[in-house]
Amino acid sequence: QTVVTQEPSFSVSPGGTVTLTCALSSGSVSTSYYPSWYQQTPGQAPRTLIYSTNTRSSGVPDRFSGSILGNKAALTITGAQADDESDYYCELYMGSGIWVFGGGTKLTVL
Amino acid sequence: EVQLVQSGAEVKKPGESLRISCKGSGYSFINYWIAWVRQMPGKGLEWMGIIYPGDSDTRYSPSFQGQVTISADKSISTAYLQWSSLKASDTAMYYCARQDPAGLYYFDYWGQGTLVTVSS
Repeated sequence: QTVVTQEPSFSVSPGGTVTLTCALSSGSVSTSYYPSWYQQTPGQAPRTLIYSTNTRSSGVPDRFSGSILGNKAALTITGAQADDESDYYCELYMGSGIWVFGGGTKLTVL
Repeated sequence: EVQLVQSGAEVKKPGESLRISCKGSGYSFINYWIAWVRQMPGKGLEWMGIIYPGDSDTRYSPSFQGQVTISADKSISTAYLQWSSLKASDTAMYYCARQDPAGLYYFDYWGQGTLVTVSS
């Protein structure tokens, strides 16, 4: 079964830059997997940040950007703010109407 | 305004059956896939399956195939997630989400979540 792996946790200083990644257990992540990224704060439903690798969802600040770095999908936050402290999930489209989420990264801003 | 409104929290006993719902409004419900996502307490998101209300075409994650049933009633713009015999391990928050309309394979709108608690 396909496993999608993210860093369990990450820390960034206010104003700093952080890159979270999303890897496949077998093979490389490419644009063909249409990687998307979601932000979730405690007690809230997920919020869509990035879709189709690098397109920001409506209303998402431009400090969030998506890309492919090497063989992984990546979410970069440039100029992190306190309210960016959240859980971040990548999601990959595996084809045939099946999606898989990564395990999530808990981001701390301090 | 697009909205997905889910049914309220449920408390059930092991072995009981349950159906939770997700009602779409503000868009053409039959033309958009609706997915279900599980989040167990303190854990990450898990994609369970998806349905196209227009023709009830349904796909399941291998992890959830046979464990739950996804259905939809297009006449009332509502998707469902159901269990025939709940287990304590089904305790989780469940979200529905709408797939984007442009074939970019992401979920653009989410329901508020339904908390299911299974305990004897």
